[in-house]
Amino acid sequence: DIQMTQSPSSLSASVGDRVTITCRASQSISEYLNWYQQKPGEAPKLLIYAASNLQSGVPSRFSGSGFGTDFTLTISSLQPEDFATYCCQQSYTTPWTFGQGTKVEIK
Amino acid sequence: QVQLQQWGAGLLKPSETLSLTCAVYGGSFSGYYWTWIRQPPGKGLEWIGEINHSGSTNYNPSLKSRVTMSGDTSKNQLSLKLSSVTAADTAVYYCARGRYCSTTSCNTYWYFDLWGRGTLVTVSS
Repeated sequence: DIQMTQSPSSLSASVGDRVTITCRASQSISEYLNWYQQKPGEAPKLLIYAASNLQSGVPSRFSGSGFGTDFTLTISSLQPEDFATYCCQQSYTTPWTFGQGTKVEIK
Repeated sequence: QVQLQQWGAGLLKPSETLSLTCAVYGGSFSGYYWTWIRQPPGKGLEWIGEINHSGSTNYNPSLKSRVTMSGDTSKNQLSLKLSSVTAADTAVYYCARGRYCSTTSCNTYWYFDLWGRGTLVTVSS
């Protein structure tokens, strides 16, 4: 199985901050990497697909980058509604696997 | 607008069989792989398996011996059965829409773009 490791596991930030979350795959997955946002009690919501493509309706302050094994999700200016948990998912090969999540909390 | 509605028993005893159903409303059942994903309390997401309209399945090897997925194209429904549950199977279970595949190939880039609301299944004696 491809292991997906995120860092940090949690972070504290203020509204307006630039936030960066990293996801590392245990082997190369090209650009087969998706990012999701999950709020408590809700299902995950797709933010970014194929490493850098913004899903329709997702604010442009979210962006993704990376290729191979190292990927980044960036929130350019954190908004109150962005406090949530973010996770990555590889779509390269089965079993499809997810990172353990990064919780973004209010400082 | 496509929506997923899921239901099933929320409280099980060890050794029982988990049974969940997910219905697809407002969209095509065909072409996609429909997926079950679970999330233990406070933990990350785990892919359980997927099924398409033809009944083709792929399961996570870690659960394969206990998982059965089936589909009913006449009702646009998919079902999950997980046998011999233990406390470790306590989780929120989600159904989700996954990759799109034609008769010859699958989309290169795909993602889980539609999700059910989740069903909390607790295993306790």
